[in-house]
Amino acid sequence: DAGITQSPRHKVTETGTPVTLRCHQTENHRYMYWYRQDPGHGLRLIHYSYGVKDTDKGEVSDGYSVSRSKTEDFLLTLESATSSQTSVYFCAISAGTGGWALHFGNGTRLTVT
Amino acid sequence: GQNIDQPTEMTATEGAIVQINCTYQTSGFNGLFWYQQHAGEAPTFLSYNVLDGLEEKGRFSSFLSRSKGYSYLLLKELQMKDSASYLCAVRDGRSGDTDKLIFGTGTRLQVFP
Repeated sequence: DAGITQSPRHKVTETGTPVTLRCHQTENHRYMYWYRQDPGHGLRLIHYSYGVKDTDKGEVSDGYSVSRSKTEDFLLTLESATSSQTSVYFCAISAGTGGWALHFGNGTRLTVT
Repeated sequence: GQNIDQPTEMTATEGAIVQINCTYQTSGFNGLFWYQQHAGEAPTFLSYNVLDGLEEKGRFSSFLSRSKGYSYLLLKELQMKDSASYLCAVRDGRSGDTDKLIFGTGTRLQVFP
């Protein structure tokens, strides 16, 4: 257990509304990541953080923003949700062991109607 | 470009051995990872290879050939609980901890009694 909690676990929202997903970790890891997982695409990196207030874009960052004001929290915001953002979102940390392998939270299933 | 290929689906019988292949083409290479993901759950880290050869961990082994851009995950003495998707991921870069993981789309393994 890498001490990662994602909230909410499930959310249904309407097109055009803003949505914020939260990732909380308890073990003071420096690196945190947001991925989305869709059938046929695998896991794709949205944004990542390498420290407080240090973030960068991944391969599918359009329509998403992130913030990290504390080491333990990494927030993902969909500024104006679209149906194409219906997905399962995973937060991950990189713990420095196993070649800096990623360890994932339990995921948030987001449906945009 | 970046590309990771795995078979989409495989089936095997309880007690048997199965090999899941992964080929990759990335601009850099700094390690290959295998993850297991049960339906509806988060991926969990299985193995890490950065040098050529075989890494054994209980019933699971992972092999890497960097010159061929090839890896496989070998699962022995298959159990029903091994039914899951297996994700191959490559760390693309040379700087280590800040390099990003690129994931394949996963291989869904079904184990039958």
